[in-house]
Amino acid sequence: GAVVSQHPSWVICKSGTSVKIECRSLDFQATTMFWYRQFPKQSLMLMATSNEGSKATYEQGVEKDKFLINHASLTLSTLTVTSAHPEDSSFYICSAAKYNEQFFGPGTRLTVL
Amino acid sequence: GQQVMQIPQYQHVQEGEDFTTYCNSSTTLSNIQWYKQRPGGHPVFLIQLVKSGEVKKQKRLTFQFGEAKKNSSLHITATQTTDVGTYFCAGAGGATNKLIFGTGTLLAVQP
Repeated sequence: GAVVSQHPSWVICKSGTSVKIECRSLDFQATTMFWYRQFPKQSLMLMATSNEGSKATYEQGVEKDKFLINHASLTLSTLTVTSAHPEDSSFYICSAAKYNEQFFGPGTRLTVL
Repeated sequence: GQQVMQIPQYQHVQEGEDFTTYCNSSTTLSNIQWYKQRPGGHPVFLIQLVKSGEVKKQKRLTFQFGEAKKNSSLHITATQTTDVGTYFCAGAGGATNKLIFGTGTLLAVQP
């Protein structure tokens, strides 16, 4: 199988705080992981591509200093939303690539008050 | 940049009716993937199409990749209430396996 987990599954935080989301591939190694954001009733928007051992590649319009990505090992990538604001409230989903297929985590619902 | 559009945005059918969603990319794709997302859930991989003109079937679902590798369709025969959800196509192009998701089609099935 190819299982991807995310932690936490949901988080509520105050405006101005930072939130870290973990994405793990449980039964395979992933040199590449992807981070997406999905607003209600919208599609998944790719935020960045996370590569193990190197800097993440961010999509146009995504602030790299606000959304910090660290791909520390072949099974773990983290996304830190720094100084979160209410407009950052969204569903954040990661995926891990295995061959040409992406396996998605269950997502993290972030609410910033 | 690359865009992937889907039509319709929303479809409401009676159980037993057929359903089709269409996906169009602004650029040629190396492959196209289809995902289903239930309300409150995450996308679940359905299938990948790679070859020009390819047609694949999964029980009541038929997937097609266009000859020009810029469009695709998903057809569901005799819908069931379990088919409810949003269907996304996602196109991959170039050297990376980066996916660009389509706008999605929300399917509602009335019993």
